[in-house]
Amino acid sequence: KNEVEQSPQNLTAQEGEFITINCSYSVGISALHWLQQHPGGGIVSLFMLSSGKKKHGRLIATINIQEKHSSLHITASHPRDSAVYICAVRWNYGQNFVFGPGTRLSVLP
Amino acid sequence: ETGVTQSPTHLIKTRGQQVTLRCSSQSGHNTVSWYQQALGQGPQFIFQYYREEENGRGNFPPRFSGLQFPNYSSELNVNALELDDSALYLCASSLLPLPQETQYFGPGTRLLVL
Repeated sequence: KNEVEQSPQNLTAQEGEFITINCSYSVGISALHWLQQHPGGGIVSLFMLSSGKKKHGRLIATINIQEKHSSLHITASHPRDSAVYICAVRWNYGQNFVFGPGTRLSVLP
Repeated sequence: ETGVTQSPTHLIKTRGQQVTLRCSSQSGHNTVSWYQQALGQGPQFIFQYYREEENGRGNFPPRFSGLQFPNYSSELNVNALELDDSALYLCASSLLPLPQETQYFGPGTRLLVL
């Protein structure tokens, strides 16, 4: 069964902390996306990765194709980072996204 | 450049009814994907439309159907609504139906089936 798993499921941090959210998947993929979903439903695409590392502001995403693992890091976290972070992959033979269950992040002031 | 919009924002229906949800894709995007997100879960792929043709479908029954119009806006139709159809329905548009294309999500339509 092709699966996407995320850890942790829930995460509470103090403002300023460095945060890591992990995503692992079971078979080869053509692309991995990190998404941010705020309360109310709106989803924003943060990164698309097929190899290596990407950085945007305080966000860093890495992927290790051999280990089938990706991480999303948030430096100097802020309460406005509070959201659900979702990892979504496209399998090598598939067209559609398969989404992980999400990690709910709460950053306290 | 306008983003992805969806209507309505909220909807309440009863079991057995039919519903139509609408999505306007981002300007210039000819690919629309629809997702169902149950409470507390990640989105599930329903289907994708590319240039008015269905271009892939997830594990959803035939009572979930769709359309894409020449202006690339899209509809999701659900017949014979069931209680389990209660969810947030998201549409996302992209320039092309390629794995590396960024998908731009709309705000969603929250459907409650009673």
